[in-house]
Amino acid sequence: GAVVSQHPSWVICKSGTSVKIECRSLDFQATTMFWYRQFPKQSLMLMATSNEGSKATYEQGVEKDKFLINHASLTLSTLTVTSAHPEDSSFYICSARGPSGRRDTQYFGPGTRLTVL
Amino acid sequence: AQSVTQPDIHITVSEGASLELRCNYSYGATPYLFWYVQSPGQGLQLLLKYFSGDTLVQGIKGFEAEFKRSQSSFNLRKPSVHWSDAAEYFCAVGAGGSGGGADGLTFGKGTHLIIQP
Repeated sequence: GAVVSQHPSWVICKSGTSVKIECRSLDFQATTMFWYRQFPKQSLMLMATSNEGSKATYEQGVEKDKFLINHASLTLSTLTVTSAHPEDSSFYICSARGPSGRRDTQYFGPGTRLTVL
Repeated sequence: AQSVTQPDIHITVSEGASLELRCNYSYGATPYLFWYVQSPGQGLQLLLKYFSGDTLVQGIKGFEAEFKRSQSSFNLRKPSVHWSDAAEYFCAVGAGGSGGGADGLTFGKGTHLIIQP
């Protein structure tokens, strides 16, 4: 149990366009989801914390107008990279706080590879 | 601010040999510590976690880790590695939140494990 999916698994877009990435908890409800960014050969960096029904909390240095996060339901959070540029190319990973009894653990999605041309 | 250091970027181990991956953390309070494994094309999988209690924790796939407060360490060990253990391993520290230790995690840079036949 506690499976998290992401869609798409990879996306290529042109500079200036917007891209939406979905994160779903498949078999449990997730009141809190997290978005991370991972550069090649680097660690995961927390971008924001997303709580269902409220505004996301962004980490210092993350542009909230560029990385729009919406958590409209208990099973879905979306990250929209607006006006994407090549420097936004990265691996984006979401996670969800576990279900009842396992809320102390985050469960991760497989990630989305974004390439901006 | 919390931080995690994984001093070994790469480690090469012969199949069947023992393994120890190092992790040192910096955190102002009692840390919530995790080890995750990342394989290509797959999401991060939780190997084990430590919140309190017995400082030697057992995880999945035969892994264990020992929390040593005096050394600010949480090293991962396995007595005998298998070729399928080749992957990227991340140590992470989390803050205690409303749901326990599942707030946004701070990750180390990871250790790439190579298994020699």
